[in-house]
Amino acid sequence: DQQVKQNSPSLSVQEGRISILNCDYTNSMFDYFLWYKKYPAEGPTFLISISSIKDKNEDGRFTVFLNKSAKHLSLHIVPSQPGDSAVYFCAAHSGGGADGLTFGKGTHLIIQP
Amino acid sequence: EADIYQTPRYLVIGTGKKITLECSQTMGHDKMYWYQQDPGMELHLIHYSYGVNSTEKGDLSSESTVSRIRTEHFPLTLESARPSHTSQYLCASRKSGSRDGYTFGSGTRLTVV
Repeated sequence: DQQVKQNSPSLSVQEGRISILNCDYTNSMFDYFLWYKKYPAEGPTFLISISSIKDKNEDGRFTVFLNKSAKHLSLHIVPSQPGDSAVYFCAAHSGGGADGLTFGKGTHLIIQP
Repeated sequence: EADIYQTPRYLVIGTGKKITLECSQTMGHDKMYWYQQDPGMELHLIHYSYGVNSTEKGDLSSESTVSRIRTEHFPLTLESARPSHTSQYLCASRKSGSRDGYTFGSGTRLTVV
C-alpha cells in the first residue's frame, strides 16, 4: 500500500511558466516532508522541506505548500528553467517505525523552451 | 564536490558472485541508509544504521547485508548475486536531528546476468 503518491508520471511546462508538482499521502504520522530532484544516473538532490506544523515554505524559486487536512502537498517552481528538467520525488519522514524516508514514484518534469 | 561516495557507479556481474557496494561519507553523519530503486519506481529503504555497530533492516526485505564498523563507512554485501538483484542502490546519510534532508550518493547501478 503506497503511503506517498505522485499521480502524475510526467509534466511538461513551458520555460518561464510555473511548474506545479503534486503529492498525496495517507500516513498521519508523517512529521515532515521533502522534495528531491534527480537526474539520470545520479543520486537525488535535496530541494526543500516542510514541517507538518507549517503550511508553506519558500526558498528562492521553490515553494512547498502543505494542506494537512487534505493530506496533500505541492511544489511550485517559478519561473521554470530548462535546468529544472528532472525527476522530482516527494518524500515523507515518520517519527515512528523504521527510520528513513518514504518516497513517491516521482514526476518527470520537462521544461519546454 | 560530493560528500558521500559510492563505488562502483556501474557493475555487471554473473549470477552467484559475491559483491560489495561501497559507501563512504566525510560529513561525520551518524545515520546512514541504503535505498533500492527500480526504474520508474519509488526508492525503498532496505537498511539503515544509527551509528557504529548499529544496523537495522528497512521497510523492503532484502537479501543483502550491511555493516558499520566505522562512522564514515557503510558497505552493502550480496553473498550470491541473482538477476532479481538488478537495480540501482543508493546510499544516504544525515545528522541526527537535522531536517535539512538526507544527502545521497550517486548510486550504484547493478546488473546481474
